[in-house]
Amino acid sequence: DSGVTQTPKHLITATGQRVTLRCSPRSGDLSVYWYQQSLDQGLQFLIQYYNGEERAKGNILERFSAQQFPDLHSELNLSSLELGDSALYFCASSVEVASGSEQFFGPGTRLTVL
Amino acid sequence: AQSVTQLDSQVPVFEEAPVELRCNYSSSVSVYLFWYVQYPNQGLQLLLKYLSGSTLVKGINGFEAEFNKSQTSFHLRKPSVHISDTAEYFCAVSGEYGNKLVFGAGTILRVKS
Repeated sequence: DSGVTQTPKHLITATGQRVTLRCSPRSGDLSVYWYQQSLDQGLQFLIQYYNGEERAKGNILERFSAQQFPDLHSELNLSSLELGDSALYFCASSVEVASGSEQFFGPGTRLTVL
Repeated sequence: AQSVTQLDSQVPVFEEAPVELRCNYSSSVSVYLFWYVQYPNQGLQLLLKYLSGSTLVKGINGFEAEFNKSQTSFHLRKPSVHISDTAEYFCAVSGEYGNKLVFGAGTILRVKS
């Protein structure tokens, strides 16, 4: 158990819908990362937050947004869902933002868009 | 931009045999290198990491990796595998753009009895 929790574990929804994925980092970790794992794209970095502020952005679609709240939990919002958004979404956390800081991964949320 | 190439998509090996999973990276700056393991229906677990110092890095579960700057490689090795090592292994790099991880495509290690 990494100490990072993600809810829900599974999510099934229809095209055009909007969903919210939730992540609680390890106690004491200030930085949260979101990654997407799909069969065609592999594991890709989406976005990073540090203590409530956006720190880095990767290949995140405009239909996707995220935020980190004062209690440090984070939410990833996916809207106007398409079939291709079906994937495993991981949240990770680290104590620092410095390169090389170990990231601890949650169990993931499996999103299926029908 | 940084990138990672895992040369083998699948590696079948018999139990108690040695194994090497290959990883090559590309980067214009100093790198930090990682190996993660993903068991079926689970998240990613860190096996080992190279930040600086000794080029031979030892990790959990008997795995080790060697950082080779001239060959831009970070191959993962285990002298004797177990059935329980069956999983997907990901090599990753960070350092060019903060702490974001750039992953390779993964190598599925299948250990047979």
